[in-house]
Amino acid sequence: KAGVTQTPRYLIKTRGQQVTLSCSPISGHRSVSWYQQTPGQGLQFLFEYFSETQRNKGNFPGRFSGRQFSNSRSEMNVSTLELGDSALYLCASSLSGTGGSGELFFGEGSRLTVL
Amino acid sequence: DQQVKQNSPSLSVQEGRISILNCDYTNSMFDYFLWYKKYPAEGPTFLISISSIKDKNEDGRFTVFLNKSAKHLSLHIVPSQPGDSAVYFCAASGGGSQGNLIFGKGTKLSVKP
Repeated sequence: KAGVTQTPRYLIKTRGQQVTLSCSPISGHRSVSWYQQTPGQGLQFLFEYFSETQRNKGNFPGRFSGRQFSNSRSEMNVSTLELGDSALYLCASSLSGTGGSGELFFGEGSRLTVL
Repeated sequence: DQQVKQNSPSLSVQEGRISILNCDYTNSMFDYFLWYKKYPAEGPTFLISISSIKDKNEDGRFTVFLNKSAKHLSLHIVPSQPGDSAVYFCAASGGGSQGNLIFGKGTKLSVKP
């Protein structure tokens, strides 16, 4: 069965621009989580969506937002890009979320570079 | 404040020997712990997990040990193979983590032939 698909894989933006990243979860998975990975900070939780509703949110500014569609596909948006937003953005899907024993299945990530 | 800590950014081990990766946590309410492995240009993949009601879980060459009193867990890889060279992330959930996984910063393991 197909894994988690993220697009685009690589992109370059300039400060002040905005970006939209897309994630298609594994078929049947209703939970989609987003993480930011940077060399110094590891994986930091952005938010989780379940059945089109944001269920959890990490400690990121309001410039970071997301949504989930009825087919469970998710997008995240970053507005007014800053140099520090350069990172690997990882999407992960699971059947019901990670509350408890849920295992996450990650995509390959979208590498964002902000110049 | 970092709730899951992997204090060793890197570890180098000879092929065939044991690799021990360590992880400490501060939230005593965490009730589930996982290890993920990540190769360059790929997303993390699930490796092994352990519930807080256990102190050991084994899967082939991989064993995770949990010491709740010390708030410490470790991943043992025996024997280590060059293909194990990757970044290993420790993660925890439960106890007010709002249902999401809290990850450590990772340990880069290099297994030398």
